[in-house]
Amino acid sequence: SAVISQKPSRDICQRGTSLTIQCQVDSQVTMMFWYRQQPGQSLTLIATANQGSEATYESGFVIDKFPISRPNLTFSTLTVSNMSPEDSSIYLCSVVWDINTGELFFGEGSRLTVL
Amino acid sequence: AQSVTQLGSHVSVSEGALVLLRCNYSSSVPPYLFWYVQYPNQGLQLLLKYTSAATLVKGINGFEAEFKKSETSFHLTKPSAHMSDAAEYFCAVSGMGGGSYIPTFGRGTSLIVHP
Repeated sequence: SAVISQKPSRDICQRGTSLTIQCQVDSQVTMMFWYRQQPGQSLTLIATANQGSEATYESGFVIDKFPISRPNLTFSTLTVSNMSPEDSSIYLCSVVWDINTGELFFGEGSRLTVL
Repeated sequence: AQSVTQLGSHVSVSEGALVLLRCNYSSSVPPYLFWYVQYPNQGLQLLLKYTSAATLVKGINGFEAEFKKSETSFHLTKPSAHMSDAAEYFCAVSGMGGGSYIPTFGRGTSLIVHP
């Protein structure tokens, strides 16, 4: 199994500011994803964090709003830029545990409230 | 393409009663299927998975699910609910072979357990 630590676990932010979420994994992993979980909704994939290259974003998500870094195989950051109340969500870091089946491990999540 | 439908955003049961959470999927290739659980203020953790072996899959905490290809279903059951089972449950599908290994999640079902 993998242990995934996310920081911060929760935060309250002001409109127009930016916040960076950190994800640390206790072992080297190839595939890391960032998900958004809005209240009452499913998990939505934001992007795949690629080590050594630019992240791969899903439809509806752009690098200017959600810049992602992946400096090595155990660490990634997601920044939520120029926040608005609509960005209030849980942001989840996950790693692919089994590339053949898509089984994922998740971090504890970062719960953001934007006022 | 793959998708997941979870019937019922909320399911309420009494302690000791049968738990049944419904999941139907669509996939253009044979699927891998998962159930994840999210306890309050935590990330998601894997309950069980179907990966083309036995159609009846047993997971943690007494949960099991049966893959029924003819019904495109993967319903989650537990014979006797405990108060500690109260959580959000997510069904997910990924594709074997030429399908996408990145899982698609359902909207989630909140399980409420009454004493």
